[in-house]
Amino acid sequence: DTEVTQTPKHLVMGMTNKKSLKCEQHMGHRAMYWYKQKAKKPPELMFVYSYEKLSINESVPSRFSPECPNSSLLNLHLHALQPEDSALYLCASSQSGTGTDTQYFGPGTRLTVL
Amino acid sequence: GNSVTQMEGPVTLSEEAFLTINCTYTATGYPSLFWYVQYPGEGLQLLLKATKADDKGSNKGFEATYRKETTSFHLEKGSVQVSDSAVYFCALSFSGGYQKVTFGTGTKLQVIP
Repeated sequence: DTEVTQTPKHLVMGMTNKKSLKCEQHMGHRAMYWYKQKAKKPPELMFVYSYEKLSINESVPSRFSPECPNSSLLNLHLHALQPEDSALYLCASSQSGTGTDTQYFGPGTRLTVL
Repeated sequence: GNSVTQMEGPVTLSEEAFLTINCTYTATGYPSLFWYVQYPGEGLQLLLKATKADDKGSNKGFEATYRKETTSFHLEKGSVQVSDSAVYFCALSFSGGYQKVTFGTGTKLQVIP
């Protein structure tokens, strides 16, 4: 099973809402990632978890809060977002997080902030 | 810093045409190189990769060779199909430390029957 699942597929939220994005993998991977992708742009790395510890935070605003409850799950908690945060949010996982690893991506959550 | 430069798209080809998408990189050291593909409405999938100079990655008829002397990793396919229509991203990362992938801007390929 080489699948990364993400829920929900689509999310519309207001600027005062609190919501969460969820990501799950059952490949035994120990590294998980959140990316943000704007239209016609490449993915931008937001966070990396390695062995359930946050190892990279690419200076992401605090209105985005990641959480890794266990090695299979990755959440992204959203609060007080801005319209410019509307984008496709991609989750990925890899075996151990080293540079030669293949990253496996989920289908993404398309987020619209009103 | 590290960077990846891809040819501008969109690229429009007729079915069975030959495909080349150029990719060059700037990096300190010797990265691993990847091609990822993104079909409409989906996440990215690894298409192929190469981890050292002169390695050739191949998959589904696509090929790319890691050329250290020209810092390039051009993607080729001999005969494209309509189903190959997608956005193709060239990317690099380094083996030391935590994996941070640097992506190119992507090249949209449209194959017409």
